[in-house]
Amino acid sequence: DTEVTQTPKHLVMGMTNKKSLKCEQHMGHRAMYWYKQKAKKPPELMFVYSYEKLSINESVPSRFSPECPNSSLLNLHLHALQPEDSALYLCASSITGTGSFEQYFGPGTRLTVT
Amino acid sequence: QKEVEQNSGPLSVPEGAIASLNCTYSDRGSQSFFWYRQYSGKSPELIMSIYSNGDKEDGRFTAQLNKASQYVSLLIRDSQPSDSATYLCAVRASGSRLTFGEGTQLTVNP
Repeated sequence: DTEVTQTPKHLVMGMTNKKSLKCEQHMGHRAMYWYKQKAKKPPELMFVYSYEKLSINESVPSRFSPECPNSSLLNLHLHALQPEDSALYLCASSITGTGSFEQYFGPGTRLTVT
Repeated sequence: QKEVEQNSGPLSVPEGAIASLNCTYSDRGSQSFFWYRQYSGKSPELIMSIYSNGDKEDGRFTAQLNKASQYVSLLIRDSQPSDSATYLCAVRASGSRLTFGEGTQLTVNP
């Protein structure tokens, strides 16, 4: 089973709202990722958690705040977003964050900022 | 030079033909290579991974890797309309980062 789940599937939020995206995997993977994908572009890495610790932050604006409560869960807290932040937000996981590994993506959350 | 480059596409092939998707990468130290398929409006789905030189076959898909030429390809035999999607080449040089190409849009015509 290579399933990563994400909620919600769609989210519309105003620029003053606070919302959270959730990601869950039960494959025993110890690395989890947040990506942002704009239309007709490849996924862009935002954050990497390895063994529940933040290992990579790709200079993401502070209005995006990741959290890894345990090895199966990953959250992305959103606050004061801009319309240009509208995108597909993808969560992924892999066995570990180093070595030859395969990343599996969840279905994504389609975010619209109004 | 981009780190990972793919056929600019779009690529159109008739049903039953072989579709050939190509990818080159710039970091000679790259270790792992992946092909993802992404249908419109959906998330990327891992379809092939390859780590050593040569061919790797899985059903109608064959991945080919040539590290000396810094080249990886994906062949889809007996292409079906359901193969119509964007194919993303991804390369891992070191650490946790995957570097993606811009993708090649494939259309298989019935």
